[in-house]
Amino acid sequence: AQTVTQSQPEMSVQEAETVTLSCTYDTSESNYYLFWYKQPPSRQMILVIRQEAYKQQNATENRFSVNFQKAAKSFSLKISDSQLGDTAMYFCALARSQGGSEKLVFGKGTKLTVNP
Amino acid sequence: DAGVTQSPTHLIKTRGQQVTLRCSPKSGHDTVSWYQQALGQGPQFIFQYYEEEERQRGNFPDRFSGHQFPNYSSELNVNALLLGDSALYLCASSFRGRVNEQFFGPGTRLTVL
Repeated sequence: AQTVTQSQPEMSVQEAETVTLSCTYDTSESNYYLFWYKQPPSRQMILVIRQEAYKQQNATENRFSVNFQKAAKSFSLKISDSQLGDTAMYFCALARSQGGSEKLVFGKGTKLTVNP
Repeated sequence: DAGVTQSPTHLIKTRGQQVTLRCSPKSGHDTVSWYQQALGQGPQFIFQYYEEEERQRGNFPDRFSGHQFPNYSSELNVNALLLGDSALYLCASSFRGRVNEQFFGPGTRLTVL
């Protein structure tokens, strides 16, 4: 079974500062993907960043970067220069990467508030 | 290019009723997955449709059923509604089930009274 744990129910950060959201996971698969999704109050689930487990280099997307520690099964998200529009629920998710028909397994989420 | 669309936006039903939710995938996508997101929780996988067949199913009872049409759009049906079925229902589409290229719709908020 695959599981995803987000241990921080809520976090807050001042505008322009940096914040790190934590995620740990468990899987017996050797090939898998990890994702961070953002869900603002509009409810639309938006992909922020993804990481393929076989790649050692940490993924980056503009102000968003991850710290992927495969041995520790840890996948944290760092948001630099936080903006008010970053206020949202953030979900960490895991999926196998073999074949099609793969489902996403989500954590319970972290509510991030960016304060002006 | 329209993204994933879902209808209706909101829905209120009473216990024991039946409901149908609809999803149109992003242009070029042929696979539709459905997720249930209870309040304060992460989404949970219900099932996935590809080539008009259910390809994978999560841990949901048979009251939850679905269908995929030749144009790749999909329906989620829930029978004998329970209070616990109140949730946001999300649809996601992809090409050939590629989970790393999955796009989500805005969801349907179902309230069961």
